[in-house]
Amino acid sequence: DAKTTQPPSMDCAEGRAANLPCNHSTISGNEYVYWYRQIHSQGPQYIIHGLKNNETNEMASLIITEDRKSSTLILPHATLRDTAVYYCIVRNSGNTPLVFGKGTRLSVIA
Amino acid sequence: DAGVIQSPRHEVTEMGQEVTLRCKPISGHNSLFWYRQTMMRGLELLIYFNNNVPIDDSGMPEDRFSAKMPNASFSTLKIQPSEPRDSAVYFCASSLNRVQETQYFGPGTRLLVL
Repeated sequence: DAKTTQPPSMDCAEGRAANLPCNHSTISGNEYVYWYRQIHSQGPQYIIHGLKNNETNEMASLIITEDRKSSTLILPHATLRDTAVYYCIVRNSGNTPLVFGKGTRLSVIA
Repeated sequence: DAGVIQSPRHEVTEMGQEVTLRCKPISGHNSLFWYRQTMMRGLELLIYFNNNVPIDDSGMPEDRFSAKMPNASFSTLKIQPSEPRDSAVYFCASSLNRVQETQYFGPGTRLLVL
């Protein structure tokens, strides 16, 4: 079973920041937080991951709370092409399979 | 890099027929994963390989499903005989077998069993 809890859906206006929350209250010390997204009819796409510190790359930023029990994925300027299902996944620091939950369906609205 | 390649992209078959799905992982990757996605069950892992060896096949639904990885650049997922409930999108993913490595997914095979 997935170890994370996400809202089933969110809307965001185009050009605004999209903030997607994730709860992972049972995360253990060696587990990372990964974010993937799946655009309609495509395979899941890696976005970002982190352990303790906040992370940023060309796609998004990941903010992890100090107690590591929750995190937020931030898309700074959402576009229509960011409409997708976003999955928050907790995973050991090895090459273990991804366990997908239901994710959050983000709709970016013009 | 061409990414993970899957074939066919779409498959329509009749119940009872054998179905073979194919995957070519990214060159140099030594871990390969097969996932299945349905509306009811979401994305679920079927089986994964490290260095061509099956590591965990506990997600394979039943004996009708089998997967092989004869070499580092090719894997197959076979369903024999197929049933309507096998209709789903089947994804293959690959990664390097190292800490924190990202999995890269193929475009998927959309299977419809009539």
